[in-house]
Amino acid sequence: SAVISQKPSRDICQRGTSLTIQCQVDSQVTMMFWYRQQPGQSLTLIATANQGSEATYESGFVIDKFPISRPNLTFSTLTVSNMSPEDSSIYLCSVGASGSDTQYFGPGTRLTVL
Amino acid sequence: AQSVSQHNHHVILSEAASLELGCNYSYGGTVNLFWYVQYPGQHLQLLLKYFSGDPLVKGIKGFEAEFIKSKFSFNLRKPSVQWSDTAEYFCAVNNAGNMLTFGGGTRLMVKP
Repeated sequence: SAVISQKPSRDICQRGTSLTIQCQVDSQVTMMFWYRQQPGQSLTLIATANQGSEATYESGFVIDKFPISRPNLTFSTLTVSNMSPEDSSIYLCSVGASGSDTQYFGPGTRLTVL
Repeated sequence: AQSVSQHNHHVILSEAASLELGCNYSYGGTVNLFWYVQYPGQHLQLLLKYFSGDPLVKGIKGFEAEFIKSKFSFNLRKPSVQWSDTAEYFCAVNNAGNMLTFGGGTRLMVKP
């Protein structure tokens, strides 16, 4: 399985600011995914990030709020823009070789917005 | 759209008790099925998966799951739980080329 790291591991931010979360994988992967896990809830897919193309966002998530970059096959970033307390969540990246393969998850970034 | 239901939100067991966590999904086509586990303070880890073949799959730490296509179910089982199994368990489903959909999770507490 791939080894995935995320930075930062946690952060406390003020409302109205933005935070960029980094996801690094130790091998080249085709598909990377960003999920949100709100307090006490399950995981919800935000978007799929493929290298060389625009990210594909799920219903309820928009690029202006969650811009994503995927500059190469081992790295991606998710920005949480103009944050509000409702954005307080754990944000996780995951990787998979294709849509039907197993996904492996990073350790997550715990975000608290005051 | 596919959906995943985990009917047990919280389960409390004593050590050595048997465990069965329910998972049902709604999707009529071919699916891949997963159980993930999140131990306290740790990240999400793959417990086991089913793609095809023998519907009874064995995973790590003595866990197993059975895919029953007619019931759209993929229940997780362990014959004898340990205190170290205390965690949150997530069932997840995807069909080829599409996203992974998670159930709501089941928090398991095992009392020593």
